[in-house]
Amino acid sequence: EPEVTQTPSHQVTQMGQEVILRCVPISNHLYFYWYRQILGQKVEFLVSFYNNEISEKSEIFDDQFSVERPDGSNFTLKIRSTKLEDSAMYFCASSVAARNTGELFFGEGSRLTVL
Amino acid sequence: GNSVTQMEGPVTLSEEAFLTINCTYTATGYPSLFWYVQYPGEGLQLLLKATKADDKGSNKGFEATYRKETTSFHLEKGSVQVSDSAVYFCALTPRDSSYKLIFGSGTRLLVRP
Repeated sequence: EPEVTQTPSHQVTQMGQEVILRCVPISNHLYFYWYRQILGQKVEFLVSFYNNEISEKSEIFDDQFSVERPDGSNFTLKIRSTKLEDSAMYFCASSVAARNTGELFFGEGSRLTVL
Repeated sequence: GNSVTQMEGPVTLSEEAFLTINCTYTATGYPSLFWYVQYPGEGLQLLLKATKADDKGSNKGFEATYRKETTSFHLEKGSVQVSDSAVYFCALTPRDSSYKLIFGSGTRLLVRP
């Protein structure tokens, strides 16, 4: 069964360092997303991406964040200068269609720890 | 604004017990409603959904009915199994956004043999 894969599964970094989280969405999906979950809190939407541009982003997704689809298979989330409060589980997701289907397919997550 | 509230866990049940996990929502307009499940070591998976009032979503013995009058979408299962142990997330998609899910905080279910 096709699945969304994420790497790394866990990354530890120093505050101020740049981090890139990688995702390989399901191959025929067109919409891509990043969510995050700070320990003990809700899963929060960060950004959606379609046709090589951001479709929607939350207020969390400020200038230190960026997303890219550098080739036909990868979808990356870059955090330019990490802060302690960026420590969270980051989930990538993809879907065939966007409009109210809610059928997102999620990866297992990348845990980011900022020291 | 849009938000989802779930009952806090963990919920611990014996095998074959009846399950209810409460979920209520606040939204402008009429959102679509979902239950996602996260098994240990895996990503979130769509369990069931309902896109309009009075719709009932069902899958794998789980059911939830979209109740507009009580703004609720409670998850139920008549007889739980050990394999149902997981974290369950209630979520909505606002009508004014096609691109994001708004999640509740998740409810951990532990089913004992």
